[in-house]
Amino acid sequence: NAGVTQTPKFQVLKTGQSMTLQCAQDMNHNSMYWYRQDPGMGLRLIYYSASEGTTDKGEVPNGYNVSRLNKREFSLRLESAAPSQTSVYFCASKGLAGENEQFFGPGTRLTVL
Amino acid sequence: GNSVTQMEGPVTLSEEAFLTINCTYTATGYPSLFWYVQYPGEGLQLLLKATKADDKGSNKGFEATYRKETTSFHLEKGSVQVSDSAVYFCALSERQTGANNLFFGTGTRLTVIP
Repeated sequence: NAGVTQTPKFQVLKTGQSMTLQCAQDMNHNSMYWYRQDPGMGLRLIYYSASEGTTDKGEVPNGYNVSRLNKREFSLRLESAAPSQTSVYFCASKGLAGENEQFFGPGTRLTVL
Repeated sequence: GNSVTQMEGPVTLSEEAFLTINCTYTATGYPSLFWYVQYPGEGLQLLLKATKADDKGSNKGFEATYRKETTSFHLEKGSVQVSDSAVYFCALSERQTGANNLFFGTGTRLTVIP
């Protein structure tokens, strides 16, 4: 049982390049989340998916898109990367609607030059 | 709206010292409260939680009590160890249909020196 996995672990992009961050969970969880972590700002929610087939914007969605590919996988896409998107990105998942503990992946450290 | 205000760090303590990290919150309803811990190079792990007023969450010697009257959820440990060095995040989740999103504080870095 791997929990929440993320790929890649590290990535360097040039301004304007695109890339997709992958996230998968093997806990049969319904909800999945993408956060970014910046110094002095804690974690901020980018997008979430309450259940398979639905996605919603979080606090900081601009410049990102997401796809809930199936129940296991939730990807985050940067269409045209900007230096302001340099951050550490965390994916998380949560089980039933009545539970509220989220399980986090190990993170992707992204640098945009 | 929902927000969490957390004690600014960094905090440096000697081994076996007493730890308090303050956390206060603002919420429109009746949130659940959490402390997450992030060890170097890793993702966040749930340390403890409390789901209603006066509940005490505890784990690995850490404790926090949900105080509705002071809207606080301060983290305490009686005797810290070097292995407790990490970043600690206070968070809240309001019950709502769907995703129960988490709102995080800014994090407090703890360094414990031998």
